[in-house]
Amino acid sequence: LAKTTQPISMDSYEGQEVNITCSHNNIATNDYITWYQQFPSQGPRFIIQGYKTKVTNEVASLFIPADRKSSTLSLPRVSLSDTAVYYCLVGVSGGYNKLIFGAGTRLAVHP
Amino acid sequence: EAQVTQNPRYLITVTGKKLTVTCSQNMNHEYMSWYRQDPGLGLRQIYYSMNVEVTDKGDVPEGYKVSRKEKRNFPLILESPSPNQTSLYFCASSPGLGQGALGANVLTFGAGSRLTVL
Repeated sequence: LAKTTQPISMDSYEGQEVNITCSHNNIATNDYITWYQQFPSQGPRFIIQGYKTKVTNEVASLFIPADRKSSTLSLPRVSLSDTAVYYCLVGVSGGYNKLIFGAGTRLAVHP
Repeated sequence: EAQVTQNPRYLITVTGKKLTVTCSQNMNHEYMSWYRQDPGLGLRQIYYSMNVEVTDKGDVPEGYKVSRKEKRNFPLILESPSPNQTSLYFCASSPGLGQGALGANVLTFGAGSRLTVL
């Protein structure tokens, strides 16, 4: 199983860039890396997905090194509304069936 | 609007009284799944379904049943609820385009169902 490991919590201030790293040493060749954001009492929401190198969308960037054993979600210039739990998700080797979530990273953005 | 709809959103019940939490998606997704979320434990998968009539256990299936008779619906059944099943439940779906396909595991989640078993 491609287990993921993330920091439990992080703190930042408005306007700063935040980088959250996820380790996934057992990632399979065909697995994609997907990040979700969750606010209290809401379902997780898709942020970004990538396979290798760098992916950028209007919300975030995702950096994946050549060995793909980790990935870093980068949130530029965070605001208070970015306070949430962020999950890294990697497809299970041999299939995407189980889609195991890690414990997530609780990001707190302060004024 | 593309969405996953769960009902009920809130439920308080008693031990042993069978209940069903419904889940419906309007995106023609093949893959559907149920998760429970408890403080400090993140999201844990209960059951998943690759397509109609194809279901399989996730990490915490004990005490739950599911069925997938139609593509859009994936109800979660608690035959005899117990207090340790008090939790926040999420249903999710994805296109299910196959391993290695971009977007295959991009899940759309429902709003959640908060269940309390007394």
